[in-house]
Amino acid sequence: GAVVSQHPSWVICKSGTSVKIECRSLDFQATTMFWYRQFPKQSLMLMATSNEGSKATYEQGVEKDKFLINHASLTLSTLTVTSAHPEDSSFYICGKTGGNGYTFGSGTRLTVV
Amino acid sequence: SQQGEEDPQALSIQEGENATMNCSYKTSINNLQWYRQNSGRGLVHLILIRSNEREKHSGRLRVTLDTSKKSSSLLITASRAADTASYFCATETGGQNFVFGPGTRLSVLP
Repeated sequence: GAVVSQHPSWVICKSGTSVKIECRSLDFQATTMFWYRQFPKQSLMLMATSNEGSKATYEQGVEKDKFLINHASLTLSTLTVTSAHPEDSSFYICGKTGGNGYTFGSGTRLTVV
Repeated sequence: SQQGEEDPQALSIQEGENATMNCSYKTSINNLQWYRQNSGRGLVHLILIRSNEREKHSGRLRVTLDTSKKSSSLLITASRAADTASYFCATETGGQNFVFGPGTRLSVLP
């Protein structure tokens, strides 16, 4: 089936620094990819829709200047958490649609200390 | 408010028993999907059921959809310890993105 590679799987960073998370489609091109955030023992909340060659579409309440999304190629979307703070600590997951639903990356556990 | 809501929130059963999880939603959908997530990992797609379907099977999994009641159920038969995970339903109403329910945490005890 469709494969999505997400990197890194976990990262610890200092408060105030920026962290980039990569999401690659390994089998076919993905013009649209989705970024979700998941707090412990909670569900996934859509943050933004990443569109190849154009600006991302952010959900209400998500700061676009803080969560920078770049989808420069048909196989790569990146999410950069800028000036990270402890409250940004969460599990971030990317996904893309295929013929039978989503395929997700393995997720990135971000811890901001 | 969330489109999909699962119940129960948590479920503990013995190995070999069946586990049933339910999902309710509020608006019309194109399809509904079930996913499994092991602790701290990504989500794995289990089954997609379209709005014109009533039941689907995949191995030990059985999914039903009742669009009149806006609800779906996921049945795992003959559960195994390896089935321990969180299970989420997600509804697709159009536009490619999906809305996830809060999930059911299933514990299968050996």
